[in-house]
Amino acid sequence: NAGVTQTPKFQVLKTGQSMTLQCAQDMNHEYMSWYRQDPGMGLRLIHYSVGAGITDQGEVPNGYNVSRSTTEDFPLRLLSAAPSQTSVYFCASSSPMTGFYGYTFGSGTRLTVV
Amino acid sequence: QQQVKQSPQSLIVQKGGISIINCAYENTAFDYFPWYQQFPGKGPALLIAIRPDVSEKKEGRFTISFNKSAKQFSLHIMDSQPGDSATYFCAASDAGNMLTFGGGTRLMVKP
Repeated sequence: NAGVTQTPKFQVLKTGQSMTLQCAQDMNHEYMSWYRQDPGMGLRLIHYSVGAGITDQGEVPNGYNVSRSTTEDFPLRLLSAAPSQTSVYFCASSSPMTGFYGYTFGSGTRLTVV
Repeated sequence: QQQVKQSPQSLIVQKGGISIINCAYENTAFDYFPWYQQFPGKGPALLIAIRPDVSEKKEGRFTISFNKSAKQFSLHIMDSQPGDSATYFCAASDAGNMLTFGGGTRLMVKP
């Protein structure tokens, strides 16, 4: 039981490049979400999904796209990387339908945009 | 718009002392209040959580105190240990919706 798996762990991008951060969970959780963590800012919600085929924007969605074609996977796409997107990105899952409201987080992707 | 405010941003406590971290919220619809612990290089991990129908919940050395009328809740770490040194986040959500996190507190426990 791997929990929430994020890849890659580290990435350096040049301004304007695009990339996809991968997130997969094997707990059959219906909710998945992406957060970014910046010093002094806590964890800010980028996008979330309450089930396959359903996504919605969080607090800081600009510059990011998501899709949820399966229950297990929730990739985050950076369309045209900017230095302001330098951050640590966390994927998380939960299952309110089974009473598990607490999130299980992945180990994060540290992204640097130069 | 920060719906959950956390203080202090950093905290230094001697080994054996009590660490106290406070959070305040604005949305009265919030009904689930978890605390997360994060070690460097790791993702946050659920530590303890409370619902507003109780005023206190204790798990080992960790206690959440909840004051619904003041819209405040706090984490107390009794007999703090160097291994407790981490960043702690409070959070809140309503009806199973997405969590809103506080800004985090970096705790250092000195031996």
